[in-house]
Amino acid sequence: EDKVVQSPLSLVVHEGDTVTLNCSYEVTNFRSLLWYKQEKKAPTFLFMLTSSGIEKKSGRLSSILDKKELFSILNITATQTGDSAVYLCAARNYGGSQGNLIFGKGTKLSVKP
Amino acid sequence: DTAVSQTPKYLVTQMGNDKSIKCEQNLGHDTMYWYKQDSKKFLKIMFSYNNKELIINETVPNRFSPKSPDKAHLNLHINSLELGDSAVYFCASSGLWTEAFFGQGTRLTVV
Repeated sequence: EDKVVQSPLSLVVHEGDTVTLNCSYEVTNFRSLLWYKQEKKAPTFLFMLTSSGIEKKSGRLSSILDKKELFSILNITATQTGDSAVYLCAARNYGGSQGNLIFGKGTKLSVKP
Repeated sequence: DTAVSQTPKYLVTQMGNDKSIKCEQNLGHDTMYWYKQDSKKFLKIMFSYNNKELIINETVPNRFSPKSPDKAHLNLHINSLELGDSAVYFCASSGLWTEAFFGQGTRLTVV
C-alpha cells in the first residue's frame, strides 16, 4: 500500500529558529512530491518537486527531494509566528488519468514569540 | 474569484439523513478530487475524477457517491449518514500534473 510518513508529528520552536520537516514515501509509480501549508482552512500549495537534488526556494522556505532515498525535507529559516501551521507532504503517483495525491499525516509547527 | 468553491461551509445533520456537498472550480482543470480530513488532520483521498475516469478509494463506503454534471463540478452525495462521517471534506482540482488547489472545506457534523 502506498504511504507517506512525516516527522516529527509536532514541533514547538521559538521565533528565529530554523526547522527541518521530514517526509518519506513509498509510492508505486511515483511522479512528484508536493508540500502544502494548512492553517485554519484549505491547504495552500508551497512546492512541487519532481527531480532529485534540485532545491526549490521561496523566501525563507526551501525544499529538496531525494528520489534514491525516497524522502524530502522542508526547511524554514528564521521562523516567525505566522509560520505556525500544519505542513502536509503529498506524493503523486501515475495512477488513474492524472494520479492521486497521497498525503502524510502532517507536521504541526508552533512558533512561539 | 474563488478558484475552488464548496458549499455549504458547515453542515449539521442527523444520523440516517442524506446530504450533498457541492464543488465548483473555475480553473479549467480536468481532474477533481474529494478528500476527507479527520479530527487528527489526516487528509485521505476519497475519489478522483475527470471526464473519462472515476477512481474510487476502495475503503470509501458506497454510501458516498460523486456526481459530475460537467467538468467544472463534482458534487458529493452521502446517504444514510453515520456519526463516523463527521469530518471536514475538501474538494480539490488540478491540471495536467500540476499542483492541486483546494476548496475551503465543508465541516460535516452528524448528530
